Amino acid sequence: DIQMTQSPSYVSASIGDRVIITCRASQDISTWLAWYQQKPGKAPKLLIYAASTLQSGMPSRFSGSGSGTDFTLTISSLQSEDFATYYCQQAKTFPLTFGQGTRLEIK
Amino acid sequence: EVQVVESGGGLVKPGESLRLSCVTSGFTFRTYSMNWVRQAPGKGLEWLSSINSRSSFIYYADSVKGRFTISRDNAKNSLYLQINSLRAEDTAVYYCAREGEYWEAPHFDFRGQGTLVTVSS
Repeated sequence: DIQMTQSPSYVSASIGDRVIITCRASQDISTWLAWYQQKPGKAPKLLIYAASTLQSGMPSRFSGSGSGTDFTLTISSLQSEDFATYYCQQAKTFPLTFGQGTRLEIK
Repeated sequence: EVQVVESGGGLVKPGESLRLSCVTSGFTFRTYSMNWVRQAPGKGLEWLSSINSRSSFIYYADSVKGRFTISRDNAKNSLYLQINSLRAEDTAVYYCAREGEYWEAPHFDFRGQGTLVTVSS
């Protein structure tokens, strides 16, 4: 199975900050990676797919990059509505696997 | 508008069975792969099972293989998850998720609110 490891697990940041979350795969997954945003009590939302393509309707301050084993999710300028938990997921092979999540909180 | 409504959850005893349903509308259900994903209280996301549009390819996580059965009825725009021999560790919110529209890869476009399964004696 492909293991997905996110870092950090927790980040505290302020409105307007630039935040980078990383996701590492245990083997090469090319760009078979998706990112999700989940707010408390809500279902996750698809944020980015194919490592760098922004899902329709999601704000352009979110961007994704990377290929192979190392990926990043960048929020260019944090807004209040961005405080949530973020998950990466590999889509290269079954079983599909998620990272453990990165909780983004207000400083 | 895409709508997904999960149901069938509730409080059950260890060893019992449950059938979760997911009724969809607003998209051409029969052309999409569908998935079940769960989230235990305070924990992360766990993929459980995927089924392609014609039910010809089905995949399970090792943690549920042999106890969970995914199925679909394209005429009813519905997805199902039969869960047998429930355990305390199956306690979670169960989400039905469609594959996204623009990427032909197994990923999730969550549109429902999930259904809570609680396993306790």
